[in-house]
Amino acid sequence: AQSVTQLGSHVSVSEGALVLLRCNYSSSVPPYLFWYVQYPNQGLQLLLKYTTGATLVKGINGFEAEFKKSETSFHLTKPSAHMSDAAEYFCAVRSSGYSTLTFGKGTMLLVSP
Amino acid sequence: DAGITQSPRHKVTETGTPVTLRCHQTENHRYMYWYRQDPGHGLRLIHYSYGVKDTDKGEVSDGYSVSRSKTEDFLLTLESATSSQTSVYFCAISEGQNSNQPQHFGDGTRLSIL
Repeated sequence: AQSVTQLGSHVSVSEGALVLLRCNYSSSVPPYLFWYVQYPNQGLQLLLKYTTGATLVKGINGFEAEFKKSETSFHLTKPSAHMSDAAEYFCAVRSSGYSTLTFGKGTMLLVSP
Repeated sequence: DAGITQSPRHKVTETGTPVTLRCHQTENHRYMYWYRQDPGHGLRLIHYSYGVKDTDKGEVSDGYSVSRSKTEDFLLTLESATSSQTSVYFCAISEGQNSNQPQHFGDGTRLSIL
């Protein structure tokens, strides 16, 4: 079985502050991990993905995530938040041998001036 | 952006009526998916297809059926709509199941059932 837990349905930061969105997964086999972003009234857009190899993954818009197998985590970070980062972020997992993604419930990122 | 078109983009209908949502892709991808998005639940998979006439159920398939007669089109049908099916529906496509072939999403259909 595979599952994803995103800690915090809402995260608020000030512009210029560090962004940290938490994601923990459960998988009995090696996972593929993804972060998607959703802007209002739009579909989901892929931010970054972890497959194999380097555990620190860089994505679009200055975001990155680190795969930590020992902690079963794949937290998303950005050193300095921008107003345009305000959106909902989804973590997803697909285990080897599975044909479908399982999504977390999402974290809304709010950025204040 | 991936060539995915969902239609209609918005629909309001009454309980008990049939509803069909269409997903059209121009990427010739093998896999297509239907999700629903509800507050507090994230995205949940309804059905997916791994080829023409090849479909399988997802996590929340009750009350929904799908058909795929052509590579480019994946239809989602609510045979008799209920208010619990009010949601935003997203179609996604992927070229394959390898890790380097992520899913790409359409812009969604907002469905209200009164």
